[in-house]
Amino acid sequence: SQTIHQWPATLVQPVGSPLSLECTVEGTSNPNLYWYRQAAGRGLQLLFYSVGIGQISSEVPQNLSASRPQDRQFILSSKKLLLSDSGFYLCAWMEGVGETQYFGPGTRLLVL
Amino acid sequence: QKEVEQDPGPLSVPEGAIVSLNCTYSNSAFQYFMWYRQYSRKGPELLMYTYSSGNKEDGRFTAQVDKSSKYISLFIRDSQPSDSATYLCAMTRTSGSARQLTFGSGTQLTVLP
Repeated sequence: SQTIHQWPATLVQPVGSPLSLECTVEGTSNPNLYWYRQAAGRGLQLLFYSVGIGQISSEVPQNLSASRPQDRQFILSSKKLLLSDSGFYLCAWMEGVGETQYFGPGTRLLVL
Repeated sequence: QKEVEQDPGPLSVPEGAIVSLNCTYSNSAFQYFMWYRQYSRKGPELLMYTYSSGNKEDGRFTAQVDKSSKYISLFIRDSQPSDSATYLCAMTRTSGSARQLTFGSGTQLTVLP
């Protein structure tokens, strides 16, 4: 069966510091991968998605970037965090010809 | 106007009640419809998905889609305190080379024992 991991689970970072969040998927090959941000009490905002190694599409221009160095690894990064980057970050995967996405446990980021 | 509208609640019901959660959408290109349940501080988990108008039942949950009215619903029968969570509707359209989901903002449900 497929499993999706995210780490760290919780992160507190000062403004201006760098960020690296990691997501890995097990049990599937060549999945579509997605990064979302969920602000408190709000819906899900799609940040990036990837259909293959090195292929990244950005949905919203902002302070973040994403990379996919391996088939089942997706990384969300920032060079300098802003207060507005605080939120709950979710990674999700979907089979290439699937219709539904499956989410990881999420990373809660607090920028102070 | 948002593509998907969902009443944020909060919704509070007694145990055993029938719960109705609803979403409306404006984009006729949406093809598949899903409901996710999200417990506090957890990732969303897929509850049900369907692609045709009509009803789909799974245990105490029934998903209903009316494409002519652009309206979807999730019914929960015999609600339990363990159903207390935020429920997100989601829909897919194809954009570029990857399917993307458009989410409602979520309805927070509390089932009181």
